[in-house]
Amino acid sequence: EDKVVQSPLSLVVHEGDTVTLNCSYEVTNFRSLLWYKQEKKAPTFLFMLTSSGIEKKSGRLSSILDKKELFSILNITATQTGDSAVYLCAVFIYVKTSYDKVIFGPGTSLSVIP
Amino acid sequence: EAQVTQNPRYLITVTGKKLTVTCSQNMNHEYMSWYRQDPGLGLRQIYYSMNVEVTDKGDVPEGYKVSRKEKRNFPLILESPSPNQTSLYFCASSRASDRGGHGYTFGSGTRLTVV
Repeated sequence: EDKVVQSPLSLVVHEGDTVTLNCSYEVTNFRSLLWYKQEKKAPTFLFMLTSSGIEKKSGRLSSILDKKELFSILNITATQTGDSAVYLCAVFIYVKTSYDKVIFGPGTSLSVIP
Repeated sequence: EAQVTQNPRYLITVTGKKLTVTCSQNMNHEYMSWYRQDPGLGLRQIYYSMNVEVTDKGDVPEGYKVSRKEKRNFPLILESPSPNQTSLYFCASSRASDRGGHGYTFGSGTRLTVV
């Protein structure tokens, strides 16, 4: 069965800390891995990763994929209270002709306290 | 403004009373999908549609129906809601070429409680 696992499930840090969120997956027919941020409403897209070892970066957020070990990490440096959210990892897989789907992990709930 | 509009945002209903959650997008997207989100389980796909009159089951379709008579609308129907359908529901749309998640536009969500 295809699955996406995230750790930790929740995390509390102080402003200025650096955090690393983990995502591992076991799927057939992998196509890409995605990270989203969800703040009490709809998820918003952060990154899509398709190749191993190539870091994607956006401001204080960065992510990298290891397709051999089947995991990805999302780093957030110099955290701010506005980073408080649930971070979702998802994997896009091919299932059959005319059907491919996105499988989401349970999410990591990050709380940044002043 | 490009958006996916879901209604209602909040709904409390009783077991067995049929309800419809509407989803409408104004981006001419071919692909639309419904998800439910439950604590510890992430988002799980209920149904999806590749285009008008083309719909198929996702991972958790039991107890739900959908239709796609027009490109912009993709309503989710609960014919006889039960308490285990209490959840947060999201509609998403994308161009067919972007259905890998990076091009998703999500609605604001519908929080459904069935008592």
